[in-house]
Amino acid sequence: QVQLQESGPGLVKPSETLSLTCTVSGGSLSNYYWSWIRQPPGKALEWIGYISYSGSTTYTPSLNSRVTILIDTSKNQFSLKLRSVTAADTAVYYCAREPVEKLGAFDVWGPGTMVTVSS
Amino acid sequence: QSALTQPASVSGSPGQSITISCTGSNRDIGGYRYVSWYQQHPGKAPKLMIHEASNRPSGVSNRFSGSKSGNTAFLTISGLQAEDEAHYYCSSFTSTGTLFGGGTKVTVL
Repeated sequence: QVQLQESGPGLVKPSETLSLTCTVSGGSLSNYYWSWIRQPPGKALEWIGYISYSGSTTYTPSLNSRVTILIDTSKNQFSLKLRSVTAADTAVYYCAREPVEKLGAFDVWGPGTMVTVSS
Repeated sequence: QSALTQPASVSGSPGQSITISCTGSNRDIGGYRYVSWYQQHPGKAPKLMIHEASNRPSGVSNRFSGSKSGNTAFLTISGLQAEDEAHYYCSSFTSTGTLFGGGTKVTVL
């Protein structure tokens, strides 16, 4: 079955760029949207944005100026870049799959990776 | 855009039924059928329990059911079991992406 796995640095300095990659195994990237979702410690989930197989993106308005999501279909991966981070960006970051015919239904998730923003 | 509104906590005894509400607006819940519910145990990734307001994915217990009325969605857990103790999050599709609720802690007494 399809599995997702996040990877990237667990510690990022303030003002620098957070970079994460999600590797998709056991399935194709087509016919799905691929999202990044984060969860600050003890707080609620926050959707960051998604990318389609063709590369079209949508980002949440509050992060739109700092976020870039890219897709590499040859490697079955998609990635997140969040610029100019602050302590408020400290969170568990999840990647997730969303069927194009079931919008908002994230049916497969990665285990999540904790990213701490600190000097 | 503000998060969808959920009660902070709901509790019930084993075997009872509980209902969690999720209130939004006509720009999210009221405007689309794409409402989902997720269960999250501590330290784990969320699990999809309901999609399109009332549809259960394969493998999810039929003790979980969802509905929607106007700008509010509901998740009902019947026959409450100890394993149902977790956080539950609603979400809705919007024109600018997905919006999550603030989460509800379900406690089995």
